[in-house]
Amino acid sequence: EAGVAQSPRYKIIEKRQSVAFWCNPISGHATLYWYQQILGQGPKLLIQFQNNGVVDDSQLPKDRFSAERLKGVDSTLKIQPAKLEDSAVYLCASSRHLSSGNTIYFGEGSWLTVV
Amino acid sequence: QKEVEQDPGPLSVPEGAIVSLNCTYSNSAFQYFMWYRQYSRKGPELLMYTYSSGNKEDGRFTAQVDKSSKYISLFIRDSQPSDSATYLCAMSPNTGANSKLTFGKGITLSVRP
Repeated sequence: EAGVAQSPRYKIIEKRQSVAFWCNPISGHATLYWYQQILGQGPKLLIQFQNNGVVDDSQLPKDRFSAERLKGVDSTLKIQPAKLEDSAVYLCASSRHLSSGNTIYFGEGSWLTVV
Repeated sequence: QKEVEQDPGPLSVPEGAIVSLNCTYSNSAFQYFMWYRQYSRKGPELLMYTYSSGNKEDGRFTAQVDKSSKYISLFIRDSQPSDSATYLCAMSPNTGANSKLTFGKGITLSVRP
């Protein structure tokens, strides 16, 4: 079974530029998550999708971050404009369905450096 | 006070040592407790998963939960160099659609050959 795929793996941008990350979850997984992990900290949930609907985006900085999951499969996370403090690893994760919400499988992450 | 506190690291032990990793938490609603292992430049992978208080063993790994003390532990027996990684505790109040995981900061473990 293929794991969670993310791209790009690494990105360096200047502040105020924009960036987009793509995620393809494990086949058949209805729930998709985007987490932000700043160096030396644990992952923090940004947004959770159930199919193509948003379940939780309470910690998403909506003035600069947006995410979508069209057709309930792939997802894109966008940051515009980027700030220095957005430098982090952006982890996409998926789980099979509601009742297995804690069995989450993570991708390898997209590493963002804002300079 | 953060919801989840994890012992600061890093931690370095010789091969074969018993390792104890600990987290404390303040939210009494947490019911599900997990340990994730994260290798360098990789995403976290689920190592152990427990519900409520008690112990759970899987090979060389034992997860322990003491809800009365709001304290969880992960024990690694006969530690191996391949166990060198960052270990993150995580917890949530339920297993449904809104089961937002709260992670600790992680502790980096190095097992010396």
